[in-house]
Amino acid sequence: ELKVEQNPLFLSMQEGKNYTIYCNYSTTSDRLYWYRQDPGKSLESLFVLLSNGAVKQEGRLMASLDTKARLSTLHITAAVHDLSATYFCAVRSGNTGKLIFGQGTTLQVKP
Amino acid sequence: DVKVTQSSRYLVKRTGEKVFLECVQDMDHENMFWYRQDPGLGLRLIYFSYDVKMKEKGDIPEGYSVSREKKERFSLILESASTNQTSMYLCATRTSGRTYEQYFGPGTRLTVT
Repeated sequence: ELKVEQNPLFLSMQEGKNYTIYCNYSTTSDRLYWYRQDPGKSLESLFVLLSNGAVKQEGRLMASLDTKARLSTLHITAAVHDLSATYFCAVRSGNTGKLIFGQGTTLQVKP
Repeated sequence: DVKVTQSSRYLVKRTGEKVFLECVQDMDHENMFWYRQDPGLGLRLIYFSYDVKMKEKGDIPEGYSVSREKKERFSLILESASTNQTSMYLCATRTSGRTYEQYFGPGTRLTVT
């Protein structure tokens, strides 16, 4: 059974600092997704990672994938308050379209 | 842009009521999904559908059923609502491209009293 775990679950940081969110998954998968959710809102797609070594960047966020280690990271550079949200990683299960989600990491960026 | 809409943002129902949650997409996607989201548990898949009148159980189907009579509409049904079904319900649709990316609706926060 595919399991996805995120670490940490809660992160409070100062503006301007860097930090990394980790996403581990238990069995082989060929697709990994990062989503952002603002309070009371739905999920917004951030990144889709399709292959080992894939790296994608958008503004202050950079996501990478290591399929051998079954690990993805979401790196935040010089955090700003607008990045405060909950971030989910999700992994495609087998050959179906099912996604298995991590628990989510709530990021709070303090001015 | 993909647009996924859900019939209600907030809903309050009584225990034992039959509840219908509707989801509509405008992108002609074949695959549609219903999740529930609870704090600390992430999103969990209830049911999904890969074509009209086709459905498959997800990870937590107990107490739920679904209906897909038309391609653009996917309904989640709580046959007899219970308090442990109080949750945020999210509908999603999936592109048929190689990314298999899912697009989510705004969510329905259901409270069962």
